[in-house]
Amino acid sequence: DQQVKQNSPSLSVQEGRISILNCDYTNSMFDYFLWYKKYPAEGPTFLISISSIKDKNEDGRFTVFLNKSAKHLSLHIVPSQPGDSAVYFCAAGLTGGGNKLTFGTGTQLKVEL
Amino acid sequence: GAGVSQSPSNKVTEKGKDVELRCDPISGHTALYWYRQRLGQGLEFLIYFQGNSAPDKSGLPSDRFSAERTGESVSTLTIQRTQQEDSAVYLCASSFSGAASETQYFGPGTRLLVL
Repeated sequence: DQQVKQNSPSLSVQEGRISILNCDYTNSMFDYFLWYKKYPAEGPTFLISISSIKDKNEDGRFTVFLNKSAKHLSLHIVPSQPGDSAVYFCAAGLTGGGNKLTFGTGTQLKVEL
Repeated sequence: GAGVSQSPSNKVTEKGKDVELRCDPISGHTALYWYRQRLGQGLEFLIYFQGNSAPDKSGLPSDRFSAERTGESVSTLTIQRTQQEDSAVYLCASSFSGAASETQYFGPGTRLLVL
């Protein structure tokens, strides 16, 4: 049972435009969410996170939005740059759950010139 | 300082053989995690070590999988009698204390192929 879902396996965006990556979850007990970015042959690297008590968190070009009632979060990248081309994983965790994360299947973002 | 390192980077083995995968966490990190990523799937939690506490083994898929950690340093993940469905990238991560929402730092992974 996939508790964290990324329904778009790939996304292509032009340089300078907004990239929107989506993530849905089923477990309402999750209380923090993270986005990780992964380049080929490297491990995932942390990008941005959000606690369930917030609905938005912004860090430079990256903003994560959380809609708890819809069990949905999204990552916005503005403006998109070619170096943003990577696989983006959404992850969720439970306070008291030992910081083990449940990951989605990832979305391959390609930013084209 | 150095990041999380894993060895070997690639491993090809025959079905039925045992394999050992190694992880060196970031120095000073008390929490260590193992995940695996099978083709087309997300990262799947396997096991979590935090300090001297008993490990959380809730993600291990079968009793062929086991892991050990020496103090707060190196960890080895052992897969006995490997099966073709064990083929995956095995990723190790560490974090400072294991507190909820703390950033996990990942190694580059070990790509395991079971023939």
